[in-house]
Amino acid sequence: QKEVEQNSGPLSVPEGAIASLNCTYSDRVSQSFFWYRQYSGKSPELIMSIYSNGDKEDGRFTAQLNKASQYVSLLIRDSQPSDSATYLCAVRNTGNQFYFGTGTSLTVIP
Amino acid sequence: DVKVTQSSRYLVKRTGEKVFLECVQDMDHENMFWYRQDPGLGLRLIYFSYDVKMKEKGDIPEGYSVSREKKERFSLILESASTNQTSMYLCASSARGSGANVLTFGAGSRLTVL
Repeated sequence: QKEVEQNSGPLSVPEGAIASLNCTYSDRVSQSFFWYRQYSGKSPELIMSIYSNGDKEDGRFTAQLNKASQYVSLLIRDSQPSDSATYLCAVRNTGNQFYFGTGTSLTVIP
Repeated sequence: DVKVTQSSRYLVKRTGEKVFLECVQDMDHENMFWYRQDPGLGLRLIYFSYDVKMKEKGDIPEGYSVSREKKERFSLILESASTNQTSMYLCASSARGSGANVLTFGAGSRLTVL
């Protein structure tokens, strides 16, 4: 079983819609969870981090964490064409190693 | 502006060549990492280092070695390059303690082995 699993997509949403990205992880003792955005040909950049159960909002982005279900999600409201990218879910374990999912490709259609 | 700098954006090497990929960070970070990224496989950890002269194997260390002689520099070495090492290589760093949660990436080095 992979440490971090994501649906690879591709996910397409119309401009202005909500994009929902999901991720599950296998290590129950993981403490830190992240969403990175990666544009084609570029390196990943951190957009959200979440450490406790519940929701965390930052502008149009909301991260949701459910440790009991080992589930992390990212919601992007009012999606824009500039949000078109691959979104990587990452989990940091107690050994300070970061494990990444394979990424979900998102396309926002104007 | 904090940076992780990878010395080469694109490299083309021949099978059997020795390859050095260099990574330098200017954030005084203790932790440094080398990943490779392949379509459908995501980012896979090759090696990481928590301190100078210290190294730990990641998930796919075979065929690679690393060197960390100075805090700011973490080198990835392919002793004898093979075609299955054609990939995008990403270096990253993070601070110790609470800052360890933020992983900053370099721009990547795309290696092609012929």
